[in-house]
Amino acid sequence: DAGITQSPRHKVTETGTPVTLRCHQTENHRYMYWYRQDPGHGLRLIHYSYGVKDTDKGEVSDGYSVSRSKTEDFLLTLESATSSQTSVYFCAISDQGIGNYGYTFGSGTRLTVV
Amino acid sequence: SQQGEEDPQALSIQEGENATMNCSYKTSINNLQWYRQNSGRGLVHLILIRSNEREKHSGRLRVTLDTSKKSSSLLITASRAADTASYFCATYRGSTLGRLYFGRGTQLTVWP
Repeated sequence: DAGITQSPRHKVTETGTPVTLRCHQTENHRYMYWYRQDPGHGLRLIHYSYGVKDTDKGEVSDGYSVSRSKTEDFLLTLESATSSQTSVYFCAISDQGIGNYGYTFGSGTRLTVV
Repeated sequence: SQQGEEDPQALSIQEGENATMNCSYKTSINNLQWYRQNSGRGLVHLILIRSNEREKHSGRLRVTLDTSKKSSSLLITASRAADTASYFCATYRGSTLGRLYFGRGTQLTVWP
């Protein structure tokens, strides 16, 4: 999607290894979000950021950490990957952060933990 | 936990027919949004309806909101094969951080 890219698009990793997913935006939006999407669960919020170095936990944050050292990049780290973290991960951005406008989503990262 | 629940989980129709999807939610909201997701892609924002609005239109899309019943519906008129996708409702409760709560989605299949 224009203005937001996720990398890598696909990754296979082994249980117990750390993994970092990157979300990069060129829209200069203040708010950024990481969701995971699993069959039967829809999208669940992992972490979000409301500014550089300002982050907070979502509903499924255990086993994940994030960092935002500059406006355009929001990194999601799986500290020690487990099979339950096999999922599709989406990054989203928002300009106002007050929910009156839609999110713009990236194309997702499909992560498989073996 | 999810805020919205879409119904039905799956819907299969012929081109030209109308498709109606419903969303129910549990708490008070500031607005409700609908998104579409094509297979293997990210979600795309379709339409937003505020809690003080009852109906909104955008092209072939019509959204209604009934806050007394805590429910919304998305109607796609004259469906096309290209409308085949998953559709999600998302609710915004009014925090300053713009958090949205998504449902599990309705898978719509439109047959040519």
